[in-house]
Order: sequence, then C-alpha cells, then structure tokens
Amino acid sequence: GQQLNQSPQSMFIQEGEDVSMNCTSSSIFNTWLWYKQDPGEGPVLLIALYKAGELTSNGRLTAQFGITRKDSFLNISASIPSDVGIYFCAGQPGGSNCKLTFGKGTLLTVNP
Amino acid sequence: DADVTQTPRNRITKTGKRIMLECSQTKGHDRMYWYRQDPGLGLRLIYYSFDVKDINKGEISDGYSVSRQAQAKFSLSLESAIPNQTALYFCATSGTGGTGTEAFFGQGTRLTVV
Repeated sequence: GQQLNQSPQSMFIQEGEDVSMNCTSSSIFNTWLWYKQDPGEGPVLLIALYKAGELTSNGRLTAQFGITRKDSFLNISASIPSDVGIYFCAGQPGGSNCKLTFGKGTLLTVNP
Repeated sequence: DADVTQTPRNRITKTGKRIMLECSQTKGHDRMYWYRQDPGLGLRLIYYSFDVKDINKGEISDGYSVSRQAQAKFSLSLESAIPNQTALYFCATSGTGGTGTEAFFGQGTRLTVV
C-alpha cells in the first residue's frame, strides 16, 4: 500500500524561529493536505493543495505540492507558542479514490 | 455546534464487552470514515463509506464493524473489545470531486479497554 514518510518526527524550537517539515510518498498523489492536531482534539485542516507545483499560504503557513507529486512541505514562519501541536500531512490519490493516507506526524514544541 | 460530532468523548470498557461509537455530521457530505490514532503511528483507516449503501474496509478493519444508518450517521462497533483496541478514534467526512475532497474530523473518542 501507499506509504508516507513525514519528517522530522519532532522539533523543539524557540519562539520566533521558522519551521519546515516535509512528506514524501512512494506513489503519486493528486491532493496533498496538511492538518494540525491540538491535544485532545481532532485534526484541523490547515492547507489543501491540488496541483503539482502549487504554493499556497495561510497566514504564517506556506505549503507546496512537489512537482513530482510525491512530496510536499509545510513551512511555519515566526513561530509562536500556540503553534505547538502535531502536524500531519495526508495524500489523496484522486479520482474515485478519496482515501487519505496520513504521515505519522511531526510534534512541534515552541519554547517562549 | 461541531460539524462532525462523536459520542461518547471518553469511554472505559472491559475486555469482551461490545461497544459502539457514534458519529453524526451536519456537513451534508456523502463520504464518512473511521480512523484510529495510536502514539507514533499517525491515523490509520478502519472503515469508510462513500454513501449509505457503500461500506468498505480500511487497512485495519479486523475486530471492528460499522453501520451507515443514514447519510449523516456512521457508527463503529467493537463486538468484543480487547486491550489493544485502546486508542483514540476519529470520525471524518468529506465531499466528492473537484477541490472539495478534503476530510473534516470530529473531536475524537478516547477508548480504554481494561
């Protein structure tokens, strides 16, 4: 089956620093999604990417859909304490197959 | 009110007991999913349903069953709970086609089997 490798597994940064995390896939996806999960809550969608090469921003967050369609990255600029949480990438093959495959997550800790 | 509502939010049950987790949604989506989350393993798909008459197994369906009672309702059952089914369970929904297929999640059910 499809596998997603998400890295890093965890990050410890100082407030104000920029953060980058990425996902690579063994197969092609037509949609890449980035979610954030706060403790005790369900994942919340941050950014959706639908085209290879697409670069999309949401406030301090920027994500890109790799041109090979096998990778994506998420950048967070000028981190703040509320950025703490687990970030997940997810890929969707597209067409009639809408199942999401999730990465194992990146745990982000921001020190004030 | 949440678009995707799961009940209960927390549950402790004994080994061998039958338990049902319920999910309802107000997003009008046809597609619904059940995922399981374990530390370090991310989210794994248990079952999914594309519409009321369509049920499909995910990657870890053994020991689970589901029922799609209506477009808005999708329940997950553990017929005989075992301790390694202790996990966080999430229901999700998604639309169909085009740029609207991203999944929206409920707040989760924390299940402990003792």
